[in-house]
Amino acid sequence: DSGVTQTPKHLITATGQRVTLRCSPRSGDLSVYWYQQSLDQGLQFLIQYYNGEERAKGNILERFSAQQFPDLHSELNLSSLELGDSALYFCASSPGAQVVVEAFFGQGTRLTVV
Amino acid sequence: AQSVSQHNHHVILSEAASLELGCNYSYGGTVNLFWYVQYPGQHLQLLLKYFSGDPLVKGIKGFEAEFIKSKFSFNLRKPSVQWSDTAEYFCAVNAQQDTDKLIFGTGTRLQVFP
Repeated sequence: DSGVTQTPKHLITATGQRVTLRCSPRSGDLSVYWYQQSLDQGLQFLIQYYNGEERAKGNILERFSAQQFPDLHSELNLSSLELGDSALYFCASSPGAQVVVEAFFGQGTRLTVV
Repeated sequence: AQSVSQHNHHVILSEAASLELGCNYSYGGTVNLFWYVQYPGQHLQLLLKYFSGDPLVKGIKGFEAEFIKSKFSFNLRKPSVQWSDTAEYFCAVNAQQDTDKLIFGTGTRLQVFP
């Protein structure tokens, strides 16, 4: 158990809908990272938050947004869903703004868009 | 921009065979390098990491990796694989000047048969 909790584990939704994925980082970790894992694209960095502020942005679509709350949990919002958004979404956390030491990953949320 | 290439997408071995998974990155500056492993149905876990010093890094479960700066490579090795090593292996890099982003390769799926 990495200490990073993601909910829900599985999500099935229709095209055009909006979903919210939730991540609770390890106790004391200030940074949260979101990744998308799909069969054809591999593991893609989406976005990082540090202590409530957006810190780094990767290949995140405009239809996607994220935030980190004062209690440090984070939510990834995916809207106007398309079939191609079906993937495993991972959250990771690390102690600081830098991932030099190690990033700890959650179990992921498997999103299926039908 | 940083990128990571893992040329072996799928590797199939028999138990006791030796393993080498390739990882090349593109970035001219100083980097931190990681190998993560994802066992079936589980989250990504750190296998080993390199920040500085001895370019031959030993990780958990008998894995090691060698950083060859001139080749921009960080190949993962194990002398004798076991069935329990069946998993997906991800190489990752972050630049020491831009440590917020952990850039992953697309992964190598390893299947070990008894």
